[in-house]
Amino acid sequence: EAQVTQNPRYLITVTGKKLTVTCSQNMNHEYMSWYRQDPGLGLRQIYYSMNVEVTDKGDVPEGYKVSRKEKRNFPLILESPSPNQTSLYFCASSFSFGGVYEQYFGPGTRLTVT
Amino acid sequence: TQLLEQSPQFLSIQEGENLTVYCNSSSVFSSLQWYRQEPGEGPVLLVTVVTGGEVKKLKRLTFQFGDARKDSSLHITAAQTGDTGLYLCAGESGGGADGLTFGKGTHLIIQP
Repeated sequence: EAQVTQNPRYLITVTGKKLTVTCSQNMNHEYMSWYRQDPGLGLRQIYYSMNVEVTDKGDVPEGYKVSRKEKRNFPLILESPSPNQTSLYFCASSFSFGGVYEQYFGPGTRLTVT
Repeated sequence: TQLLEQSPQFLSIQEGENLTVYCNSSSVFSSLQWYRQEPGEGPVLLVTVVTGGEVKKLKRLTFQFGDARKDSSLHITAAQTGDTGLYLCAGESGGGADGLTFGKGTHLIIQP
């Protein structure tokens, strides 16, 4: 089954404790992205990757890191989480079909930083 | 910065009624996508419209892209409780996956 998987689905942590949220897709998509979703603010892109070893900042990259060592994986790293990073996070992958990029989203990771 | 305004933000109607939600911008998009998100899940793509004036139908859902490619609408006929969810529009500016701008969404509740 074609899908994007994220782990963990739920995470409660404390300020400053480094964490990684994993993301994997089995569709051989070149593009992968991370978004955060907050009430009243909608979906905002954190980082994106156009291919292996190619990553770039989205709209809200501060406090986050990513890596793309393999095509299928795109982990999101919070080196020193803070309470303002409490949010619902989504990983997405996409491919270009006639110049259009349709996003396939993972199920989400709900992160709480205390 | 390109913005997509969705209206209404919240809509609660009875089963069987018709409704329309809107997605508007002052910017031109090369394509526009509609997603539906249910609680606890990620958004799922419903449709992509590419050509100005294009109309696409998905069972009881009708999507239209404005002639100038700045706006779009989603019309649901005879709404069902299964239509409940958050509807998101996303405009693509032609810059690849990084060029996708999402609206804040319309929360739709269909009451039995």
